[in-house]
Amino acid sequence: GNSVTQMEGPVTLSEEAFLTINCTYTATGYPSLFWYVQYPGEGLQLLLKATKADDKGSNKGFEATYRKETTSFHLEKGSVQVSDSAVYFCALGTNAGKSTFGDGTTLTVKP
Amino acid sequence: DAGVIQSPRHEVTEMGQEVTLRCKPISGHDYLFWYRQTMMRGLELLIYFNNNVPIDDSGMPEDRFSAKMPNASFSTLKIQPSEPRDSAVYFCASSLGRGSQPQHFGDGTRLSIL
Repeated sequence: GNSVTQMEGPVTLSEEAFLTINCTYTATGYPSLFWYVQYPGEGLQLLLKATKADDKGSNKGFEATYRKETTSFHLEKGSVQVSDSAVYFCALGTNAGKSTFGDGTTLTVKP
Repeated sequence: DAGVIQSPRHEVTEMGQEVTLRCKPISGHDYLFWYRQTMMRGLELLIYFNNNVPIDDSGMPEDRFSAKMPNASFSTLKIQPSEPRDSAVYFCASSLGRGSQPQHFGDGTRLSIL
């Protein structure tokens, strides 16, 4: 079956540090890949997505590239801010209907 | 555009009571999902619908849980009778098309069973 494995947290960084959160997946077929972000007291919201191999999704300074050869979709940001503190979920979706989510990685950015 | 709307935002009730959670998906979306989130178990898919028809309810924990979608703009998740271990945040999400499309989440219902 489909599965998503993402870097265990929590991750604590200083403001302006470089962020990487690793995500690898197992899927049949050609999934779409997503990163969602969840701020305290809110639901998950889409951060970025990529629908085919070598696509790069980007939003708010975050980037992730769909790597079919390594079945990965690592999230990166060059300079994090305190406001980026949240829980980040990697997910995949196929035409079967539902998505498969990773366990989430908690990021705390300190000033 | 209105997002996914869930009600109530918070619910506190005593063990044994019936609990009904409500969800209004984004207009035009044909998939609706119910999730439960806890610290211990993370985010769990309970059930999902396509065009108001339940497709997969294998995540529903017990017969105490039931979900309905009587029309395209409304869904309910009911727990009867409720137990303290049902305490969690329950999310509803909707999407347009199949799993290759992103899901749009509501802000959740925080449920506490005393």
